[in-house]
Amino acid sequence: DVKVTQSSRYLVKRTGEKVFLECVQDMDHENMFWYRQDPGLGLRLIYFSYDVKMKEKGDIPEGYSVSREKKERFSLILESASTNQTSMYLCASRVPPLEDYYEQYFGPGTRLTVT
Amino acid sequence: GNSVTQMEGPVTLSEEAFLTINCTYTATGYPSLFWYVQYPGEGLQLLLKATKADDKGSNKGFEATYRKETTSFHLEKGSVQVSDSAVYFCALDYNAGNMLTFGGGTRLMVKP
Repeated sequence: DVKVTQSSRYLVKRTGEKVFLECVQDMDHENMFWYRQDPGLGLRLIYFSYDVKMKEKGDIPEGYSVSREKKERFSLILESASTNQTSMYLCASRVPPLEDYYEQYFGPGTRLTVT
Repeated sequence: GNSVTQMEGPVTLSEEAFLTINCTYTATGYPSLFWYVQYPGEGLQLLLKATKADDKGSNKGFEATYRKETTSFHLEKGSVQVSDSAVYFCALDYNAGNMLTFGGGTRLMVKP
């Protein structure tokens, strides 16, 4: 079974702090994703990584950065956390699409509260 | 741009009732369409998918048909169980299949 793990289930940080959210997958997937999930808005893509050291902005990258130094690990960084970044953060991974195969495998999420 | 619209929840049903969760989309080109499910405390899991018009995706008793003429991908199940209680997300892919656009999610609650 594919396993995607996230470093914390719950996190509370103060405004202005630098926050690191870590994601690790064990299936040698090239592609990894960070989303935030907010009620009524569904999931919105923050950043996407095609492979090690490669990244692409998603729909809402402002206020975030990412790091992919190793294939299995994809980090989301909040340089200076703000209260409007309070949300559930979900990581996902996937092999690149082959024909019609697109499944993304998701981690359990990190609920971040910024006070 | 691309967008996905789902009916707002929560949807509350009794066990063995018929389920429909509506999903419509706006997209350029011919996206693939997906339903993901999120059980309490877990990440999302792919429930079913359809990659071209008139395809029917099915899994665990759930079905959805890709209707290009109505730009819809409604999720249906003939007889729901308590264990189906979850949040359901409709999604489409873009950027050559590299990214997904999600709807807002619909919470389903099934009572015994």
